Amino acid sequence: GAVVSQHPSRVICKSGTSVKIECRSLDFQATTMFWYRQFPKQSLMLMATSNEGSKATYEQGVEKDKFLINHASLTLSTLTVTSAHPEDSSFYICSARAAGEVNEQFFGPGTRLTVL
Amino acid sequence: GQNIDQPTEMTATEGAIVQINCTYQTSGFNGLFWYQQHAGEAPTFLSYNVLDGLEEKGRFSSFLSRSKGYSYLLLKELQMKDSASYLCAPMDSNYQLIWGAGTKLIIKP
Repeated sequence: GAVVSQHPSRVICKSGTSVKIECRSLDFQATTMFWYRQFPKQSLMLMATSNEGSKATYEQGVEKDKFLINHASLTLSTLTVTSAHPEDSSFYICSARAAGEVNEQFFGPGTRLTVL
Repeated sequence: GQNIDQPTEMTATEGAIVQINCTYQTSGFNGLFWYQQHAGEAPTFLSYNVLDGLEEKGRFSSFLSRSKGYSYLLLKELQMKDSASYLCAPMDSNYQLIWGAGTKLIIKP
């Protein structure tokens, strides 16, 4: 089956630092990757959609200069939280969609970010 | 607008059957997914319905009525490990999943 990995699974950082989260599709080519954020007891919130080789499309209210997304290859997308603050502490989840498969998304295991 | 309506929380007994209902409104429709999410983990895929009717997969079944904007997830022979949140996620005309807060299912012995 399609597997998506995320790294790191947990990260704790100081306020003001930047954190990079990697999302990889291990056994398929992901033309589209999605980045979600989930606060405790709330729904998944789509932050942005990235297509390989092009700029990410950000959802309303998501600062593109703060959450940098790079989808440089068909198997890797990265999310960089720049100048992180405590309110950015959340569970970040990526998902990937294979080429030609418009319906199914495969989720990574998520990254728990804690900003002190 | 787009929205999902599911019960916030349900409780059931080990070995029993539980039905989790979901009503939705979306801009266009390209099927509906059910996901399971354990606390602190990412969602895992359970089922996908695009046509009306019942899809059965082991202990889990999912039903869809497009005209009513309604779906349910049926879990049989409940096990303690089924304690989790269950997310109903329809896909809109842009093939984007629409997420609600999910239903937290608590299984008691």
